[in-house]
Amino acid sequence: QVQMVESGGGLVKPGGSLRLSCVASGIRFDSYYMAWIRQAPGKGPEWIAYINSRADNIHYGDSVKGRFSVSRDNGKNALYLQMHSLRVDDTAIYFCAGGEWRRYPHLWGQGTPVTVSS
Amino acid sequence: IVMTQSPVTLSVSPGERATLSCRASQSVDSDLAWYQQKPGQAPRLLIYESSTRAAGIPARFNGGGSGTDFTLTISGLQSEDFGIYYCQQYNEWPTFGPGTKVHIK
Repeated sequence: QVQMVESGGGLVKPGGSLRLSCVASGIRFDSYYMAWIRQAPGKGPEWIAYINSRADNIHYGDSVKGRFSVSRDNGKNALYLQMHSLRVDDTAIYFCAGGEWRRYPHLWGQGTPVTVSS
Repeated sequence: IVMTQSPVTLSVSPGERATLSCRASQSVDSDLAWYQQKPGQAPRLLIYESSTRAAGIPARFNGGGSGTDFTLTISGLQSEDFGIYYCQQYNEWPTFGPGTKVHIK
């Protein structure tokens, strides 16, 4: 059974840090590119990070460049998002998502909520 | 690339056709995908490459268009088709539209 499960979300103060994880099962993880896509309340989704299968091609959305860092461990079927200098407008549901070719992911986790508030 | 969608909301009776529109601020060729999202769930991929249905997607979902203007047509709407539909371009850094909310009458 194909599954992607995120964890690590929660409540954090502005300026704080948080690390999200996503563990995949039922797929050949090292064949997939992975992405973090977030969705603020009432808004459309927003791509924030992309990492290819070998982790040698990484890109970030402008809103998180310099603050967030994506990584993966293919041996553990795991994807990570390290978030620093969090702002109130980073509040969202964070989804991990994956695909095999171009950037229209067909596999998604259920999401983990991140709330940035004082 | 900025994506816009119309209408914002759409109310359709079961069995009728729904037509959703998506426009890109510049050409994205055919690098356009459609997703369906229901409350509390992740988006589900419906269409990619403008018109190719993803695995397991019923034939009543059809996409079309190229360049800047795209449509998603749902023929013979069924009650389980309610939700918010998003378009997403992937010609450059991927961006989503704001969505069209489909209500079932």
